[in-house]
Amino acid sequence: AQSVTQPDIHITVSEGASLELRCNYSYGATPYLFWYVQSPGQGLQLLLKYFSGDTLVQGIKGFEAEFKRSQSSFNLRKPSVHWSDAAEYFCAVGDPGGGADGLTFGKGTHLIIQP
Amino acid sequence: NAGVTQTPKFRVLKTGQSMTLLCAQDMNHEYMYWYRQDPGMGLRLIHYSVGEGTTAKGEVPDGYNVSRLKKQNFLLGLESAAPSQTSVYFCASGFLGRGRDTQYFGPGTRLTVL
Repeated sequence: AQSVTQPDIHITVSEGASLELRCNYSYGATPYLFWYVQSPGQGLQLLLKYFSGDTLVQGIKGFEAEFKRSQSSFNLRKPSVHWSDAAEYFCAVGDPGGGADGLTFGKGTHLIIQP
Repeated sequence: NAGVTQTPKFRVLKTGQSMTLLCAQDMNHEYMYWYRQDPGMGLRLIHYSVGEGTTAKGEVPDGYNVSRLKKQNFLLGLESAAPSQTSVYFCASGFLGRGRDTQYFGPGTRLTVL
């Protein structure tokens, strides 16, 4: 069964500093890859997605992510964080092959922004 | 265009009570999903539907039933609620399945079972 690992439960970053959130997946083939963000008390919003092609993908709110097949990783980055980026971030994968539909999510990384 | 809406937003049940959560989408999506979110667990798929009149089990289906009688609605039922079902429930929908396109999420329903 496919799985998604987000190694960092919490990350604290100073406002204006750069950010990298890690995501590793375990799957036989390359799955569809996603990053979602969840603000407190809210639903999930898609930041970006990767299906194929250019391994560096741009998303909303200044985020980008890089797919590295050799490392089975899809890390999320932002050059300069803003206080409004404080939220929960989820990496997710979709199975392009058989099995159940839906997404498999990591457990999330809670981002704290220091002033 | 309201997107994905969920009713109710909050609910408290006693063990053994039943309830139905309603999800509605106005984007004409074929695919609809119910997830539950527990602290430190991320989101886990309960049931899903690939079109009107169809339903299928996800990762954690036990204790839940679903129905998709109309394309725009996806209902999640708890026949006999248990404290282990205390969670935040999210509905999502999309044009394509298997994560091939964006899944749009509702705002969630916070359920507490005493």
